[in-house]
Amino acid sequence: IAGITQAPTSQILAAGRRMTLRCTQDMRHNAMYWYRQDLGLGLRLIHYSNTAGTTGKGEVPDGYSVSRANTDDFPLTLASAVPSQTSVYFCASSGGAGDTDTQYFGPGTRLTVL
Amino acid sequence: GQNIDQPTEMTATEGAIVQINCTYQTSGFNGLFWYQQHAGEAPTFLSYNVLDGLEEKGRFSSFLSRSKGYSYLLLKELQMKDSASYLCAVTDSNYQLIWGAGTKLIIKP
Repeated sequence: IAGITQAPTSQILAAGRRMTLRCTQDMRHNAMYWYRQDLGLGLRLIHYSNTAGTTGKGEVPDGYSVSRANTDDFPLTLASAVPSQTSVYFCASSGGAGDTDTQYFGPGTRLTVL
Repeated sequence: GQNIDQPTEMTATEGAIVQINCTYQTSGFNGLFWYQQHAGEAPTFLSYNVLDGLEEKGRFSSFLSRSKGYSYLLLKELQMKDSASYLCAVTDSNYQLIWGAGTKLIIKP
């Protein structure tokens, strides 16, 4: 692995189903982030983690949960998917918690909720 | 509220120069980033400004004026591969990145 990986690449999901998007980084970055990107709205922060064992809410956290059991992994879970969660989801990481380090992005997961 | 403004779309000619502007109103300021995002791909880092002035990196330069809440990204000698969206983002007082909606740059031959 080099950088950040996300899985799956794309997914079509029935409304009401539970779904976990996976994100793994091998850069030993402290901070990790989940964004959603919708046309015309730019990137919006869902949840973040400044270091393993801690998480925080971003701009649009409702309907999503995260965990950070170790440095490398930061899964995002949709407990009961709704059509408004149709979006492209990007995971990112940065080297320092709470500082201005550059964020590096994974390739994204395209999620469609029907 | 916090706000980042950039033009929605711009068109330029191959070989020319284009300037993409970004204005911001945020609670505090700890730096400004420019990212490039090709269609269907992830954003990739282009530049970072925290002090006033111009940062040059090859064909790309980025300028910041903190007193005016203003930045621009200057792309010289445009190539077709520069067709992409350019995202402006500001780190606020809580060190959270606030993102603009992006400027779609179309390069014509």
